[in-house]
Amino acid sequence: EAQVTQNPRYLITVTGKKLTVTCSQNMNHEYMSWYRQDPGLGLRQIYYSMNVEVTDKGDVPEGYKVSRKEKRNFPLILESPSPNQTSLYFCASSPGTSGSVGNEQFFGPGTRLTVL
Amino acid sequence: GEDVEQSLFLSVREGDSSVINCTYTDSSSTYLYWYKQEPGAGLQLLTYIFSNMDMKQDQRLTVLLNKKDKHLSLRIADTQTGDSAIYFCAESSGYSTLTFGKGTMLLVSP
Repeated sequence: EAQVTQNPRYLITVTGKKLTVTCSQNMNHEYMSWYRQDPGLGLRQIYYSMNVEVTDKGDVPEGYKVSRKEKRNFPLILESPSPNQTSLYFCASSPGTSGSVGNEQFFGPGTRLTVL
Repeated sequence: GEDVEQSLFLSVREGDSSVINCTYTDSSSTYLYWYKQEPGAGLQLLTYIFSNMDMKQDQRLTVLLNKKDKHLSLRIADTQTGDSAIYFCAESSGYSTLTFGKGTMLLVSP
């Protein structure tokens, strides 16, 4: 089944404790992206990647890191989480330059992160 | 930066039509999308329209695009309780990066 998976789905942590949220897609997509969703603010893009070893900042990159060593994986790293990073996080992938008309983004199920 | 605006809430009765509106600022938008988010789930693409089209119909969904006014609407005919969700308007000016609106929560009452 074609899908985007994220782990963990739920995470409660404390300020300053490094964490990684994994994202994996099995559709051979070139483009991957991370968003955070907050009430009243909609989805805001954190980082995106157009291909392996190519990453770029989105609208709200501060406090986050990403890496794209393989095409299928795009982990989101919080080196020193703070309470203002409490949010619902979504990973998405898209065919990108080799994609179909419309370049639909496929979303993972989300990771709800709480930083105490 | 570019901006996408939507009303935040819409309430309708089952069987009525729902119309969700969206405005955008990027005049170079190539594709405009409607995504649906059900409770506890990620976003799913409902439909999209290319910027050189005025209208697109897909079963109960009708998308209208007024490029001059940069206005996009989604009409859901015969709205059902299963249509209750958050609907996001999004635009793209060429590549995969999307700019999303804040989402419209549609509540359908029996």
